Amino acid sequence: DAGITQSPRHKVTETGTPVTLRCHQTENHRYMYWYRQDPGHGLRLIHYSYGVKDTDKGEVSDGYSVSRSKTEDFLLTLESATSSQTSVYFCAISGQGKAYEQYFGPGTRLTVT
Amino acid sequence: GIQVEQSPPDLILQEGANSTLRCNFSDSVNNLQWFHQNPWGQLINLFYIPSGTKQNGRLSATTVATERYSLLYISSSQTTDSGVYFCAVTNDYKLSFGAGTTVTVRA
Repeated sequence: DAGITQSPRHKVTETGTPVTLRCHQTENHRYMYWYRQDPGHGLRLIHYSYGVKDTDKGEVSDGYSVSRSKTEDFLLTLESATSSQTSVYFCAISGQGKAYEQYFGPGTRLTVT
Repeated sequence: GIQVEQSPPDLILQEGANSTLRCNFSDSVNNLQWFHQNPWGQLINLFYIPSGTKQNGRLSATTVATERYSLLYISSSQTTDSGVYFCAVTNDYKLSFGAGTTVTVRA
């Protein structure tokens, strides 16, 4: 199994509060991704990173920001959480040796009340 | 982005049965992956298969890139095969997922 951990694994927070989710990898992979999974939508890309301090938006980036100060860590921040951001969040990583095969972390279940 | 359609949306099988899941995509791709999401929510890599055929135990997959589809075969299904099967594709490095096929295997 790819060495990917996510923290926290579960979180309940109130509308309007800031939330930061952490993804940590031990594979030294260059690319890291944040997805959200919602019923009826499958998985959708929020943001991704192609190196330290190099990030870009995915298809559902509004309301989210990311940071990557070290190869192994990719942070997802909800500046002011809303109920529409209640979801399961997955981090993924990919290197370059196998043309971008992605491996997923265990997920974080976030509930915004 | 690339559109991905999976069929059927739901599949109920008796243990021991065989099945085929299909994934159609709207553009040329350089990466196609099949995942199994188990009832605990974990996403498990099944195949990385942008073209050709691969087998892993009771599972096999075929991708015909020129015709923009991929098939996942499950043979002699077991209850542990239950879950959602996702196809995901990309032509750069950002995966686009289909909506999934929910498979239920009954003992």
